[in-house]
Amino acid sequence: DGGITQSPKYLFRKEGQNVTLSCEQNLNHDAMYWYRQDPGQGLRLIYYSQIVNDFQKGDIAEGYSVSREKKESFPLTVTSAQKNPTAFYLCASSPPGKVNTEAFFGQGTRLTVV
Amino acid sequence: DAKTTQPNSMESNEEEPVHLPCNHSTISGTDYIHWYRQLPSQGPEYVIHGLTSNVNNRMASLAIAEDRKSSTLILHRATLRDAAVYYCIPRPTLNTNAGKSTFGDGTTLTVKP
Repeated sequence: DGGITQSPKYLFRKEGQNVTLSCEQNLNHDAMYWYRQDPGQGLRLIYYSQIVNDFQKGDIAEGYSVSREKKESFPLTVTSAQKNPTAFYLCASSPPGKVNTEAFFGQGTRLTVV
Repeated sequence: DAKTTQPNSMESNEEEPVHLPCNHSTISGTDYIHWYRQLPSQGPEYVIHGLTSNVNNRMASLAIAEDRKSSTLILHRATLRDAAVYYCIPRPTLNTNAGKSTFGDGTTLTVKP
C-alpha cells in the first residue's frame, strides 16, 4: 500500500548527540514536509521541500537540518544546537500540480532527549 | 496566512451530531478551507475541504458561511472513534504547498458513550 513511513516510532538520545529521523514515501509526491508538535499544541513547520535537491526553512528551522537526495526520502537531523528537541515529529507529503490537494502524514516519531 | 479561531474543546454524546466551528475572518477570497483531525499519538488525517459551497463526503459535512468568515464541520453521528483534535486550516487555491499550512491548536473533541 502507498503511504508515508516514519521510523523509528520512539527514539531516545542523550543530550548533545545528533539524531536523524527517517521519512520515506511511495506516493510519488514531489513535496515533503517536517513538522514538530509539542504536547497539547498544534503543528509547527520545520522544513519543506518541493523538489529533489531543494528545500526551504519553515518557521522553526534553527537546530535542524534536512536533505532531499531522492524523491522518496526526506530525513530530518536534530542537531545538538536544538535547545529543546524532545517532541513529536511528523512528516508529510503532497502531490504537485493539482489544485488544493490534501497532505498525507506519517505516524510520527516521538523523540526524547535525556 | 489567515488566522483561525476554534474552541479549545467540545463534548458530544455517542450517536449524536457534532458541530465544530471555526472562525477565519481574515481568509483570502481564494483560500480553501481544509479540515484535518488527529487521533492521539498519530499523524493528522484529511477530513474535508471546501471553498464556497457546502461539501459532503463519507466522513463529514462542511458548512461554509456565505461571507466565508466561518465554517462548521459536521459529524452526523459521532462515534468513539471520532474523538480527536480537529484542525481548521485555510489553504491557498493554487496549491503546491498542501502541507505548508499553519496548524493551530485545534478543537479537542471528546465523545461520551
